[in-house]
Amino acid sequence: GIQVEQSPPDLILQEGANSTLRCNFSDSVNNLQWFHQNPWGQLINLFYIPSGTKQNGRLSATTVATERYSLLYISSSQTTDSGVYFCAVEGRGGSEKLVFGKGTKLTVNP
Amino acid sequence: KAGVTQTPRYLIKTRGQQVTLSCSPISGHRSVSWYQQTPGQGLQFLFEYFSETQRNKGNFPGRFSGRQFSNSRSEMNVSTLELGDSALYLCASGLAGVPNTQYFGPGTRLTVL
Repeated sequence: GIQVEQSPPDLILQEGANSTLRCNFSDSVNNLQWFHQNPWGQLINLFYIPSGTKQNGRLSATTVATERYSLLYISSSQTTDSGVYFCAVEGRGGSEKLVFGKGTKLTVNP
Repeated sequence: KAGVTQTPRYLIKTRGQQVTLSCSPISGHRSVSWYQQTPGQGLQFLFEYFSETQRNKGNFPGRFSGRQFSNSRSEMNVSTLELGDSALYLCASGLAGVPNTQYFGPGTRLTVL
């Protein structure tokens, strides 16, 4: 099945810094989503981005489908950005199931 | 529009018991998927239902089962609980169209003693 790799596994920043999280996937995808898991465990949708670029406030994401990677940019990070960021993909087989990476744990210190 | 809801939020069971978890999708969503999250295995797909039919199943033993009702609400059941079933169980709903964005509920945290 499709494989998803996220890097780095851990990231520690000072408030105000910028960061880039990467997601590599092994096959063509119908769906790619970025999530932020809050301390209570809920997965919060950040982006649905199987291709192209999107921006939402301080966050933006780019997926280059032909090269099988996606990037999540966080600018001017805040302590509330802390948590685990997951990339999840759905393969072209149309199975409707999301395959998740292992996540990037982001810690933003004041 | 209300989000995905899951009940109960927390559950403690003992080995050998069975448990039923419930998920109500976003209004209008007909696809419901279940995922298990553990520290060791991460987030893994359990199964997906659409219009009361199971369309996909992950690599879990038959002790894990589910169903979907005509109002799209879904339940999953785990029989003969094992210690390793302790996990966060997440439900997601979607339109099953394009874009196929999945929206997750807050999860049910199951502890098996």
